[in-house]
Amino acid sequence: NAGVTQTPKFQVLKTGQSMTLQCAQDMNHNSMYWYRQDPGMGLRLIYYSASEGTTDKGEVPNGYNVSRLNKREFSLRLESAAPSQTSVYFCASARGALYEQYFGPGTRLTVT
Amino acid sequence: QKEVEQNSGPLSVPEGAIASLNCTYSDRVSQSFFWYRQYSGKSPELIMSIYSNGDKEDGRFTAQLNKASQYVSLLIRDSQPSDSATYLCAVCGDSGGSNYKLTFGKGTLLTVNP
Repeated sequence: NAGVTQTPKFQVLKTGQSMTLQCAQDMNHNSMYWYRQDPGMGLRLIYYSASEGTTDKGEVPNGYNVSRLNKREFSLRLESAAPSQTSVYFCASARGALYEQYFGPGTRLTVT
Repeated sequence: QKEVEQNSGPLSVPEGAIASLNCTYSDRVSQSFFWYRQYSGKSPELIMSIYSNGDKEDGRFTAQLNKASQYVSLLIRDSQPSDSATYLCAVCGDSGGSNYKLTFGKGTLLTVNP
């Protein structure tokens, strides 16, 4: 089992460009999550999907959109990247509410 | 807004000692509690979960939960240099009914000296 996989590992964007971060899990988990991690701010939830077909905002959703493509895949889209979105992005999945979350390897994004 | 507080450290212990990491949380109705280890440049790795009051042991790790005091801790026995990492406390479940959202502390940096 690969667990949670993310692509790409690294990305550099110019301000205003768009991109989609991909996440997939092979653990048959129901819920999936996107976090960002910034120095001094810790891990913050951007969006989550409790189950296939549903998505909800987390703590810092502005500037992002998500799609739960199927049970395995959950993507994060930046429509018009801004320097404030420079961060490390982690995808995670869990069996469901209150269960342990397992993280992917992360995407390091720089917006210039 | 639910808060999870940890000492930022660094916490420095000699090899073979017990490392004690502490965490407090603000929302009394929180239901699940987790400890993650994060090496520099890597993703968080789950090392312990605890759901009820008391102690839970797994190898060299012991998690302790006291819901009345809103306190959760992690003990690492026989600390090894490979335990040097940032340890993140995470709490799930709150009075707003959000049982999907984990709230993380900012982490404690642990250094184990050979």
